[in-house]
Amino acid sequence: KAGVTQTPRYLIKTRGQQVTLSCSPISGHRSVSWYQQTPGQGLQFLFEYFSETQRNKGNFPGRFSGRQFSNSRSEMNVSTLELGDSALYLCASSLNPDSTGELFFGEGSRLTVL
Amino acid sequence: GDSVTQMEGPVTLSEEAFLTINCTYTATGYPSLFWYVQYPGEGLQLLLKATKADDKGSNKGFEATYRKETTSFHLEKGSVQVSDSAVYFCALSDQAGTALIFGKGTTLSVSS
Repeated sequence: KAGVTQTPRYLIKTRGQQVTLSCSPISGHRSVSWYQQTPGQGLQFLFEYFSETQRNKGNFPGRFSGRQFSNSRSEMNVSTLELGDSALYLCASSLNPDSTGELFFGEGSRLTVL
Repeated sequence: GDSVTQMEGPVTLSEEAFLTINCTYTATGYPSLFWYVQYPGEGLQLLLKATKADDKGSNKGFEATYRKETTSFHLEKGSVQVSDSAVYFCALSDQAGTALIFGKGTTLSVSS
């Protein structure tokens, strides 16, 4: 069974640009959540999607957004990139939102902002 | 707000040594507690969980007991192996859904 797939794995952007990251959940999983991982702040929750609806959002500015498609695939977008957005962005899937805490993580997309 | 505090690493042990990684939490409700592990080059994996006080989660020889009185969820293993070298994250969830609050992670290095 294929795991959570994130693309691209690595990318470099400059300040002011925008970026879109993609996540394909495990087949049959309908809930997707996103996390940001940095050395200073650790792992921080960004948002959660289920049935194409955002169910929960972490404490991040509006420059961070996401969406989920009917096939459960998800994308997140960061606009007007700042140096501090450099991080590993992790996607996680679960069967449904009631699978509390039982998340399956991808290997992440490492974003470097110059 | 809710938070998780875990011991700073790195933790360096010899094979077959006893492992403890401390984790304490602050939460207003009755959270579920988790340990996740990140092996080199791999994604985070759920190691074990406990959903109510006095529950013991266990997997792969690792154990952790949900202690409400001390707000702790310490990870233990009686005899570590080189293959246990990884980063370990303690986490909590105080609501239904997938919004976890993670600790900063503890790097474990086991040598033969």
